[in-house]
Amino acid sequence: EPEVTQTPSHQVTQMGQEVILRCVPISNHLYFYWYRQILGQKVEFLVSFYNNEISEKSEIFDDQFSVERPDGSNFTLKIRSTKLEDSAMYFCASSDPKKASNEQFFGPGTRLTVL
Amino acid sequence: RKEVEQDPGPFNVPEGATVAFNCTYSNSASQSFFWYRQDCRKEPKLLMSVYSSGNEDGRFTAQLNRASQYISLLIRDSKLSDSATYLCVVISQGGKLIFGQGTELSVKP
Repeated sequence: EPEVTQTPSHQVTQMGQEVILRCVPISNHLYFYWYRQILGQKVEFLVSFYNNEISEKSEIFDDQFSVERPDGSNFTLKIRSTKLEDSAMYFCASSDPKKASNEQFFGPGTRLTVL
Repeated sequence: RKEVEQDPGPFNVPEGATVAFNCTYSNSASQSFFWYRQDCRKEPKLLMSVYSSGNEDGRFTAQLNRASQYISLLIRDSKLSDSATYLCVVISQGGKLIFGQGTELSVKP
């Protein structure tokens, strides 16, 4: 069964450093998303991406964040200058617009720890 | 008012019990609703979609009341493997998922 994959599974970085989180969505999906979950809190939407541009972004997704689909398979989230409060699980998701269910399939997540 | 609000939990139940989770949402224009399951430190996984007519999948039954903006999930004959956090999710018009804070379920032998 096709699945969303994410790398790395765990990223430790120093405050102020740049990080790039990588995702490979399901191959025939056209909508891509990033969500984050701070430990003990709810899953929060960051950004959605379709047709090579951002469809929607939340107030969390400020100028420090960017997304890119550099090739036909990868979808990346970059945090330019990490802060302590960026420590969280980051989940990538993708969906097939042809499916009426609107189901979004999630990757296993990247745990980001900012020291 | 929170966009999606759930019972705080945790729910601790014995095997075989029936347990019900409730959820309310604030945007009356919302069209699609889901229950996701999340195991500890793992990704959310779709448990079931919720339809206006109500729907059942084995031991799981989901109900939607649009007038009250209320969603429920009933689990019958609970198993140890049902232990997880159950997330009430509403999809916005733009397609993003809006999650509740989740209700933790612990099924004990």
